[in-house]
Amino acid sequence: DAGVIQSPRHEVTEMGQEVTLRCKPISGHDYLFWYRQTMMRGLELLIYFNNNVPIDDSGMPEDRFSAKMPNASFSTLKIQPSEPRDSAVYFCASSRGLTSGTSQYFGPGTRLTVL
Amino acid sequence: GENVEQHPSTLSVQEGDSAVIKCTYSDSASNYFPWYKQELGKGPQLIIDIRSNVGEKKDQRIAVTLNKTAKHFSLHITETQPEDSAVYFCAASMNTGNQFYFGTGTSLTVIP
Repeated sequence: DAGVIQSPRHEVTEMGQEVTLRCKPISGHDYLFWYRQTMMRGLELLIYFNNNVPIDDSGMPEDRFSAKMPNASFSTLKIQPSEPRDSAVYFCASSRGLTSGTSQYFGPGTRLTVL
Repeated sequence: GENVEQHPSTLSVQEGDSAVIKCTYSDSASNYFPWYKQELGKGPQLIIDIRSNVGEKKDQRIAVTLNKTAKHFSLHITETQPEDSAVYFCAASMNTGNQFYFGTGTSLTVIP
């Protein structure tokens, strides 16, 4: 298996622009998680999905952030409009659910820089 | 909610020595404890995990111990090598598919 795939790996944009991050989870995994990592706050869970349905979005910082999962093999995290404080590494992770014994597997991340 | 504390934040050891990283959790309902290794520029990678019905688990040079009564768990790396240098995160969860609560990370440096 190719593992969790994220694109782009790096994104540099200007304040006010829309940013879309993409994730393809591991095939067969029914949970998908979006995290943000910064030096100050560490790893923060933003939102997670089960069977394409958002379960908990309490970590989404504000209305500028939105996430979708239109099907089992694709998810997006959108920031509109972006701000410099959104600069971070964004990770997507997936897992196979409650009873399989597998943990969350992370993608390589997208490093976002907002100027 | 769950609160996971991790110590130390930085750790330097000589190659060949052992390294121990400790985590505590607050919610007695947590029953799954994975450990992740994150190398520079990469995503966290699962290295070992343990469930609450087990007190210890080993995988070659890596072991994890769990004390449910005291609500703490530890990662032990023996015979450390320079390639073990990375940031290590512990986490606690009530199930593998549910939300993970991560510790703040330990930056391990193995000095050749």
